[in-house]
Amino acid sequence: KAGVTQTPRYLIKTRGQQVTLSCSPISGHRSVSWYQQTPGQGLQFLFEYFSETQRNKGNFPGRFSGRQFSNSRSEMNVSTLELGDSALYLCASRTSGSGADTQYFGPGTRLTVL
Amino acid sequence: AQSVTQLGSHVSVSEGALVLLRCNYSSSVPPYLFWYVQYPNQGLQLLLKYTSAATLVKGINGFEAEFKKSETSFHLTKPSAHMSDAAEYFCAVSEAGGFKTIFGAGTRLFVKA
Repeated sequence: KAGVTQTPRYLIKTRGQQVTLSCSPISGHRSVSWYQQTPGQGLQFLFEYFSETQRNKGNFPGRFSGRQFSNSRSEMNVSTLELGDSALYLCASRTSGSGADTQYFGPGTRLTVL
Repeated sequence: AQSVTQLGSHVSVSEGALVLLRCNYSSSVPPYLFWYVQYPNQGLQLLLKYTSAATLVKGINGFEAEFKKSETSFHLTKPSAHMSDAAEYFCAVSEAGGFKTIFGAGTRLFVKA
């Protein structure tokens, strides 16, 4: 099976712009989670989607949003970019979203905001 | 509420020495516990997980971890470190019946020749 894929792998934007990141989960996985990873804050949970519905949400401002499509692919959007949004954004998928399920991570999208 | 504490943001060992990465958790119900590894510029990869079967869990690359309920710990060990083990390691907890996974802050492992 193909792993979790994320596109693009690298992105450079300027302050005030918006960005959309894409994640394709492992085939058959219905849950997709997004994380932001920075050297200062570590790995922080953004949100989780299961069967096109947002099931959990982390403590991020409304500029961060996401969605999931019927084929389980997911996108996250960040509007009005700030310098502090520079980070590695990781997507993870799992089968049903149960706590026992292993999360499988993609390689991440490295976002740099100038 | 669940939480995870990884003791030591950086650990340095010599090649061939024992690796011990510490993880303590807090959970009001029986937990599921995970260790993930992250190599530079890559996503996280599962090393091993505990889901209420055997308390000693063996994972990939010679790593193992022991679930100790009385100590609320799930420390990761490897008898002999290899240069290729240099990476960042994350402990994570989720609850039976729940959906959220909480990750620790991570421990960066350095291996000296």
